Amino acid sequence: EVQLVESGGGLVQPGGSLRLSCAASGFTFSSYWMHWVRQAPGKGLVWVSRIYSDGSSTNYADSVKGRFTISRDNAKNTLYLQMNSLRAEDTAVYYCARGSSVREDYWGQGTLVTVSS
Amino acid sequence: QSALTQPASVSGSPGQSITISCTGTSSDVGGYNYVSWYQQHPGKAPKLVIYDVSNRPSGISNRFSGSKSGNTASLTISGLQAEDETDYYCSSYTSSSTLVFGGGTKLTVL
Repeated sequence: EVQLVESGGGLVQPGGSLRLSCAASGFTFSSYWMHWVRQAPGKGLVWVSRIYSDGSSTNYADSVKGRFTISRDNAKNTLYLQMNSLRAEDTAVYYCARGSSVREDYWGQGTLVTVSS
Repeated sequence: QSALTQPASVSGSPGQSITISCTGTSSDVGGYNYVSWYQQHPGKAPKLVIYDVSNRPSGISNRFSGSKSGNTASLTISGLQAEDETDYYCSSYTSSSTLVFGGGTKLTVL
């Protein structure tokens, strides 16, 4: 069974940093693209970033480019999202998702990030 | 990276069919056959119901179908059931090597 478990969310002040993790199990992690998608409270889904199976290629939404960094450790079956210079508008539930280059097929339950003073 | 355009809400009676549209541009929906649809119940993670415009993942009911014409993709749910009442999102690959979601559509089963 595919399982994705996010962690690392919490309350952070504007301008602060946070690193999210996503522990994967039940599939060959090193064979899949992985994505981060976020959802502000009561709002829709917004794609954030993706990373190739071996970590050699990454892409970002314009809204986070230069502030967020996606990475992965295939030996630990773990996906990461380093978030710097956080803003109030980054407040959201952050989902990690397994997929291909063009879609997500399995999603975790998400972790809430709140940016507030 | 503007969001794809979906109607905010649609409704239908049990047993009927409904269609949700998803409009983009030639740089996303119209340029690639990489449109996906997701179902999301409140407080739950999204679930993939259609990928590559019209393909259903294993385990998804054949009441769900997808299509595309030009810059607009569509999700059709036939034989509406009470359990279908929730939010639906479209997504497309883009020419910028990113993905983009629609704003979401709330389906009400009357």
